[in-house]
Amino acid sequence: DAEITQSPRHKITETGRQVTLACHQTWNHNNMFWYRQDLGHGLRLIHYSYGVQDTNKGEVSDGYSVSRSNTEDLPLTLESAASSQTSVYFCASSESVTTTGELFFGEGSRLTVL
Amino acid sequence: AQSVSQHNHHVILSEAASLELGCNYSYGGTVNLFWYVQYPGQHLQLLLKYFSGDPLVKGIKGFEAEFIKSKFSFNLRKPSVQWSDTAEYFCAVHSSASKIIFGSGTRLSIRP
Repeated sequence: DAEITQSPRHKITETGRQVTLACHQTWNHNNMFWYRQDLGHGLRLIHYSYGVQDTNKGEVSDGYSVSRSNTEDLPLTLESAASSQTSVYFCASSESVTTTGELFFGEGSRLTVL
Repeated sequence: AQSVSQHNHHVILSEAASLELGCNYSYGGTVNLFWYVQYPGQHLQLLLKYFSGDPLVKGIKGFEAEFIKSKFSFNLRKPSVQWSDTAEYFCAVHSSASKIIFGSGTRLSIRP
């Protein structure tokens, strides 16, 4: 079965360190997204990609970057982790929002920045 | 800017009670509307969606939602909740002007 996997599922790091969260999907979807989930804020879009070599900033992109070198992967990098980036991060993919209407989510990565 | 509001942050119900969760959005054009559910410890899953046609849409597990364009609303309903409906529910909106925007979520707790 096709799926979307995130790693690591849990990570603790220190302020100032670079962190990369991996996202791999086997749906062969063109669209991939990174969200962060925080209490009281729901899911907020960090970055998204509509295809290889395409990346776009979402509503909370400061301090994050992504790259899309192939269809399957969209790694999220925190250049210099800050305590405000402690959160649960969800990767999602979709074939097309307007036709299938569905985002497929990964299991989430819980990041703690000390 | 487009936004989605879910005014109920935490709802507590007894089993068999009826449920209605509010969702309002701000965007004047054509929108696609979604409800996602996140069961404890799990990832988000699609509950139901509205693109066009009948404004009353039915989803999985007995849930339904009604799109009222004049009120910019897409409220989620279920006639009789079960303990297994305990979860967090997210309303989401997609328009031509934006990506999918999620509301802040409503936590539903069901007393057995």
